[in-house]
Amino acid sequence: GAGVSQSPRYKVAKRGQDVALRCDPISGHVSLFWYQQALGQGPEFLTYFQNEAQLDKSGLPSDRFFAERPEGSVSTLKIQRTQQEDSAVYLCASSFSAGVGEQFFGPGTRLTVL
Amino acid sequence: AQTVTQSQPEMSVQEAETVTLSCTYDTSESDYYLFWYKQPPSRQMILVIRQEAYKQQNATENRFSVNFQKAAKSFSLKISDSQLGDAAMYFCAYRSLGGGSNYKLTFGKGTLLTVNP
Repeated sequence: GAGVSQSPRYKVAKRGQDVALRCDPISGHVSLFWYQQALGQGPEFLTYFQNEAQLDKSGLPSDRFFAERPEGSVSTLKIQRTQQEDSAVYLCASSFSAGVGEQFFGPGTRLTVL
Repeated sequence: AQTVTQSQPEMSVQEAETVTLSCTYDTSESDYYLFWYKQPPSRQMILVIRQEAYKQQNATENRFSVNFQKAAKSFSLKISDSQLGDAAMYFCAYRSLGGGSNYKLTFGKGTLLTVNP
């Protein structure tokens, strides 16, 4: 595709529900990042993949958060037993080469937990 | 850990005028990248300009330029001839030069820029 796409764009979940957020990176991009952006804040790093390998998950806030990228392209961020504090925009970014490449961002998924 | 501080939550500028957005950062590293990203309302974040810390020359992209003061750990963005389409949230971001988790971006809290006609 022309850019990074994310789905769904908006998700409303009841507290305690599980959600899955999808990211389709730019074709051929090796590196993929997930960020969490709370209202009125800057994005904060969650996790990073190089191809299918999750090289850093230090930003995941709890063990309820899980990310995967099994074939080195599409990635899914899963949040189990959602809490109100999980409400945020979840941004995905990809780059051709993490070391020098620009990170291209998707439009984000706005998650609201009621 | 690196931190990025944007001390101006909001700024406004008249169309065609010049505005400067401030950013300071804290790091113990000597080589790194600095970025300014633009996030229009309900739209994707896009890269405006980047600066490599080892380069003394300030980066410029058309109407956008930076004032990079490495010793002061300051990285301001100047927008000349402001246009209505420049209205957005602007984020300053830091990235280490090294590998692994250092590829992540560390963002400031952002500055909301309003452009008045």
